[in-house]
Amino acid sequence: EPEVTQTPSHQVTQMGQEVILRCVPISNHLYFYWYRQILGQKVEFLVSFYNNEISEKSEIFDDQFSVERPDGSNFTLKIRSTKLEDSAMYFCASSGQTIGEQYFGPGTRLTVT
Amino acid sequence: AQKITQTQPGMFVQEKEAVTLDCTYDTSDPSYGLFWYKQPSSGEMIFLIYQGSYDQQNATEGRYSLNFQKARKSANLVISASQLGDSAMYFCAMREPYNQGGKLIFGQGTELSVKP
Repeated sequence: EPEVTQTPSHQVTQMGQEVILRCVPISNHLYFYWYRQILGQKVEFLVSFYNNEISEKSEIFDDQFSVERPDGSNFTLKIRSTKLEDSAMYFCASSGQTIGEQYFGPGTRLTVT
Repeated sequence: AQKITQTQPGMFVQEKEAVTLDCTYDTSDPSYGLFWYKQPSSGEMIFLIYQGSYDQQNATEGRYSLNFQKARKSANLVISASQLGDSAMYFCAMREPYNQGGKLIFGQGTELSVKP
C-alpha cells in the first residue's frame, strides 16, 4: 500500500542552525502539507502546497520557514535558523483527487537544544 | 472561522465494550470533510475514517463508525468491541474545501485508555 515517508525520524540540532526535513508523498497525490505538533498539544497546520506553489500558510510559517518540491517526488521543509520553540514533531501529509483522504507520514521529531 | 472541539481530554473503556468519542465543529462552508485519526504512543497519525458533509450515510470502517449529526454539527467516533491496542490519542479534524487549500484543522484530542 502506498505511504508517505519522512526522513529523518529524529533530528537534534543546535539553536540557530538550519534543518531540512524531507518527505516523499504518495506518488499520484497533488496536494501536500506540513503540520507540526508540539509535545502534548494538538496538530497545527503550517503550509499547503499545490501546483508547485504555496496555496496557504499559517501564522506560524514565518520567514524562517520555506518549502520546496525540488523534483517529482520529494517535498522538503527548511527551517533557516532554528529556535528552541521549533522543537516539535513535524508531519508531512498528502492528498490526491479522492476527496476523503489525507495521509500522514510517520513524522520527524525535531529537538532544538 | 472554522473550529473543532473535543471536550473529553481522557476516556476509559473496558475491553470489548463500545466507546464514543465526541467531536463538534463549526464552519460556515457547506462543503467540508471530517476525519478521525489515531495517534498511538509511537507518534504516527493513522487515518481511521472520513465523512463528507454531503454524505447521506454515516461512515463505517470495520469497528469504527462516525455518528454524523449535521444539524448539531457533531461527528462522534464510535469504536465497537474495544481492544487493548485501541489505547491511544484520537484526533478529530475538519478539512477545508480544496479550493481553499484543503488543510486540516484539528481538535485537542481525546486520550483513550482501554482496560483489560
